[in-house]
Amino acid sequence: GAGVSQSPSNKVTEKGKDVELRCDPISGHTALYWYRQSLGQGLEFLIYFQGNSAPDKSGLPSDRFSAERTGGSVSTLTIQRTQQEDSAVYLCASSLVGLAGDEQFFGPGTRLTVL
Amino acid sequence: GNSVTQMEGPVTLSEEAFLTINCTYTATGYPSLFWYVQYPGEGLQLLLKATKADDKGSNKGFEATYRKETTSFHLEKGSVQVSDSAVYFCALRSDLGSARQLTFGSGTQLTVLP
Repeated sequence: GAGVSQSPSNKVTEKGKDVELRCDPISGHTALYWYRQSLGQGLEFLIYFQGNSAPDKSGLPSDRFSAERTGGSVSTLTIQRTQQEDSAVYLCASSLVGLAGDEQFFGPGTRLTVL
Repeated sequence: GNSVTQMEGPVTLSEEAFLTINCTYTATGYPSLFWYVQYPGEGLQLLLKATKADDKGSNKGFEATYRKETTSFHLEKGSVQVSDSAVYFCALRSDLGSARQLTFGSGTQLTVLP
């Protein structure tokens, strides 16, 4: 496909369970970002991957959150022992390189609901 | 750190009215500035951008000028349409260090009535 895709589109889980969210960036894009959008916090940066460099994890809210990017393409965001405050829309974006003026293309998001 | 402050919403206008959504920022260096739009049920899309002072970004009748002296990037449109109803986000991206993430404002909900 031409755009960023994310799966699943919706995820409902019980408190304490682990979840995995997937992102397929645009082919050829070397930079990949995870954000989350929640009512109380707006749009927050979580983590950034650029090529083979070590990821920038400065936005991850706790050690329950982790992400990996395999083969410089697909990325998985994992949330362990989910809490109700983790409920949000998780957005993935990619850009061609990591320059400041690059457009970031966003996926449709995964809506996570923790009961 | 970097931050973006934008006009609180919601904003409700009649069709063909003039729109301004204020956005100011705090950042070191020379960030790039963006307006993103989220239409109902859709993902975030880039509306326009400016990468240096005095640049004007424009798209779909919307404009914003990068004003370094006032650290602002206000969004304007001369005549809004019902189809412009959406949430608008101002954002910046630093040119310093390795940080490449977007810092967003809180978003402004715009509703245009026929």
